[in-house]
Amino acid sequence: DVKVTQSSRYLVKRTGEKVFLECVQDMDHENMFWYRQDPGLGLRLIYFSYDVKMKEKGDIPEGYSVSREKKERFSLILESASTNQTSMYLCASSRGSGTGREVDTEAFFGQGTRLTVV
Amino acid sequence: KQEVTQIPAALSVPEGENLVLNCSFTDSAIYNLQWFRQDPGKGLTSLLLIQSSQREQTSGRLNASLDKSSGRSTLYIAASQPGDSATYLCAVCQNYGQNFVFGPGTRLSVLP
Repeated sequence: DVKVTQSSRYLVKRTGEKVFLECVQDMDHENMFWYRQDPGLGLRLIYFSYDVKMKEKGDIPEGYSVSREKKERFSLILESASTNQTSMYLCASSRGSGTGREVDTEAFFGQGTRLTVV
Repeated sequence: KQEVTQIPAALSVPEGENLVLNCSFTDSAIYNLQWFRQDPGKGLTSLLLIQSSQREQTSGRLNASLDKSSGRSTLYIAASQPGDSATYLCAVCQNYGQNFVFGPGTRLSVLP
């Protein structure tokens, strides 16, 4: 089974702290994603990466950065946490298009990290 | 810009009923469509994936259909059970897996 693992289920951080959210997948997927989910706003894409050291901004990248030094790991960084970044954060992975197989674009999600910034 | 909507926003049914959840999208140039289940406070679990060339997919009591030309998908749940209570989200995949656009979800309650 594909497994996407997020390092923490719950985190409480103080305003201004630097926060790292880690995500690891074990299926050799090329694509990895970070979303945040808020009531009434649904899932919104923050950043995605289609290869090691590659990243693309999603719909709401402000206040966030990412790092992908190894294929299996994708980190989301809040440089200076603010209360409006309190949210559920979801990591996902999928195969890249180079395989040519339609089935490979299925997305798999981690269990989520509930971040509270106080 | 792709927009995905889901109707109804919430649904409450007695156990044993068959039910249909609807998903609509505005841009038919999709690669595939995926249905997910989300339990409160948890991540998303993939239920069914329909490729753009397919019309439907089945898994147990679940059946998903896709009409790409009209921008619609339905998720049919047969003989609903209380354990089916969750939020169901659909997502369309564009740009060869580099962009998933989600609907807002349908919150389902199945009453014993």
